[in-house]
Amino acid sequence: LAKTTQPISMDSYEGQEVNITCSHNNIATNDYITWYQQFPSQGPRFIIQGYKTKVTNEVASLFIPADRKSSTLSLPRVSLSDTAVYYCLPKYSGGYQKVTFGTGTKLQVIP
Amino acid sequence: DVKVTQSSRYLVKRTGEKVFLECVQDMDHENMFWYRQDPGLGLRLIYFSYDVKMKEKGDIPEGYSVSREKKERFSLILESASTNQTSMYLCASTGYNEKLFFGSGTQLSVL
Repeated sequence: LAKTTQPISMDSYEGQEVNITCSHNNIATNDYITWYQQFPSQGPRFIIQGYKTKVTNEVASLFIPADRKSSTLSLPRVSLSDTAVYYCLPKYSGGYQKVTFGTGTKLQVIP
Repeated sequence: DVKVTQSSRYLVKRTGEKVFLECVQDMDHENMFWYRQDPGLGLRLIYFSYDVKMKEKGDIPEGYSVSREKKERFSLILESASTNQTSMYLCASTGYNEKLFFGSGTQLSVL
């Protein structure tokens, strides 16, 4: 199982682009990379998932280099409501799986 | 709309009581998980199940057991609750190569 490393916390002003990088040095060939967002007193919710290169949806972009040993979640023009903990998670694409979260990155958006 | 439902949002129990936390999903997912979350410690995996009657220990299974008699239901059992089991408990489910869906959590207080 790939182990992840993320910054523990980040601060950003409203309106800025935020990039959170996660390293997953021993990611397996069949692992996808998923990112989740968690607000206080709620369960995490899915933001974006990718395998390689770049993926974009209405919320974020995900950049994955060719070696797949890291990934970067990009949040464009953050607002106060983006203050949350963000988790990066390599996820096995096959059968049953033990899904373990790292400690995540606490993003604080400042007005 | 996809749904993972946890039976209680808040629960108060006494030391030594047997506690059942129930989780039901309506997505026909094979995999289900129980996590606990404590301040500063992130999400820690207690148990998971990849099929009916199948279970695997997570990272912190001590003091807990689980039951999965039907595909849609995954129960977490505290045989004899202790104060150090006061925590937020989160249930999640996923199919193959899909995102995790979380319930809204149960805040358990053991007095």
